[in-house]
Amino acid sequence: EEQLVESGGGLVQPGGSLRLSCAASGFTFRRFAMTWVRQAPGRGLQWVSTITDTGGSTYYADSVKGRFTVSRDNSENTVYLQVNSLRDEDTALYYCAKGSGWHDPWGQGTLVTVSS
Amino acid sequence: DIHMTQSPSTLSASVGDRVTITCRASQSISDWLAWYQQKPGKAPNLLIYKTSNLKSGVPSRFSGSGSGTEFTLTISSLQPDDLATYYCQQYSAYPRTFGQGTKVEVK
Repeated sequence: EEQLVESGGGLVQPGGSLRLSCAASGFTFRRFAMTWVRQAPGRGLQWVSTITDTGGSTYYADSVKGRFTVSRDNSENTVYLQVNSLRDEDTALYYCAKGSGWHDPWGQGTLVTVSS
Repeated sequence: DIHMTQSPSTLSASVGDRVTITCRASQSISDWLAWYQQKPGKAPNLLIYKTSNLKSGVPSRFSGSGSGTEFTLTISSLQPDDLATYYCQQYSAYPRTFGQGTKVEVK
């Protein structure tokens, strides 16, 4: 069974940083792009970032470009999202998902709360 | 950026009703469209990819159609388990974009 498990979220002050992780199992991780999508409380889905299978290419939403960095470790079957210079509007549940086009499966999400 | 607009934002229907959700793209995305179902408190689940391809295991009452800029998700006979919010997503170009969601309530 394909599974994704996120971790690393928490409460952080504005301007702070976190590193989110997503551990994958049940599929050949190194063959697939991976994506981060977030959902603010009570809001819809917002694509954040995608990294290709080798990590050679990365893509970001304009709202996070320059502040967030996606990376992966294919030996550990894990994708990361380093989130820096956090703002109130970054408060959301952050999901990782398999694929660069359609996304399947999704993890259960890790909550990032930005508040002073 | 390609803007995705869903309609309606909310719909209420009875068990057994045929339900249609529309998703419009601000420019042509060919057939690079996916649909997701998100139940309350849960992560989204893929229903349909490439406009009309049903993910394995998804009930056949779900179907998708369209091309270019206009797409539909149809539930042929609404079931109580279909209470959820449905999102379309284009993957024709970066940034990937989602519709704002359609909340389906079962009367």
